[in-house]
Amino acid sequence: QQPVQSPQAVILREGEDAVINCSSSKALYSVHWYRQKHGEAPVFLMILLKGGEQKGHEKISASFNEKKQQSSLYLTASQLSYSGTYFCGTEIQTDSWGKLQFGAGTQVVVTP
Amino acid sequence: NAGVTQTPKFQVLKTGQSMTLQCAQDMNHEYMSWYRQDPGMGLRLIHYSVGAGITDQGEVPNGYNVSRSTTEDFPLRLLSAAPSQTSVYFCASSSPGHMNTEAFFGQGTRLTVV
Repeated sequence: QQPVQSPQAVILREGEDAVINCSSSKALYSVHWYRQKHGEAPVFLMILLKGGEQKGHEKISASFNEKKQQSSLYLTASQLSYSGTYFCGTEIQTDSWGKLQFGAGTQVVVTP
Repeated sequence: NAGVTQTPKFQVLKTGQSMTLQCAQDMNHEYMSWYRQDPGMGLRLIHYSVGAGITDQGEVPNGYNVSRSTTEDFPLRLLSAAPSQTSVYFCASSSPGHMNTEAFFGQGTRLTVV
């Protein structure tokens, strides 16, 4: 039931853009996005509720396509601080509220 | 606020030993959960609790027990440690059902079973 993330890794130069995708085979209530730096705990970026809304956090934004049960995270004009592993977490409609299943993660490396 | 506190930060166990990983939160969150993180596999849910006295299994519950006697605490017990349980363990809490349902993570416990 884990969501599927792609790509597994991406290398960017500062200022470049990237897209990370997350898809589920189950109907979702919400999609969460987290970033984890090496040796640290995951940190919340944003949550998208069913309804197809889009949100932003600095130059990081995300969308949720409820029909396809897919979410995409957009890293725009990447900065060195964007390096880390990005995880999507999904709340399935038939599960308990709050129960998050995470994807395997996408490692992002931003180089000068 | 301390947020979510996990202890210990590091632990080495011998095969067959038992131990308890502690997790405490001071945000009055109803929902708490335990994940293990292994390279290339992301965060996998072990057990979770939707409130005091209520627990349920996640994706990978075998070899682990939990209990939730108070809102604040959610300990994870390894009954008989195995090398396959070598991992980084994260505890998380949240208050689902509201607009901001972000999960807050503890700093993790790095467990090695030899």
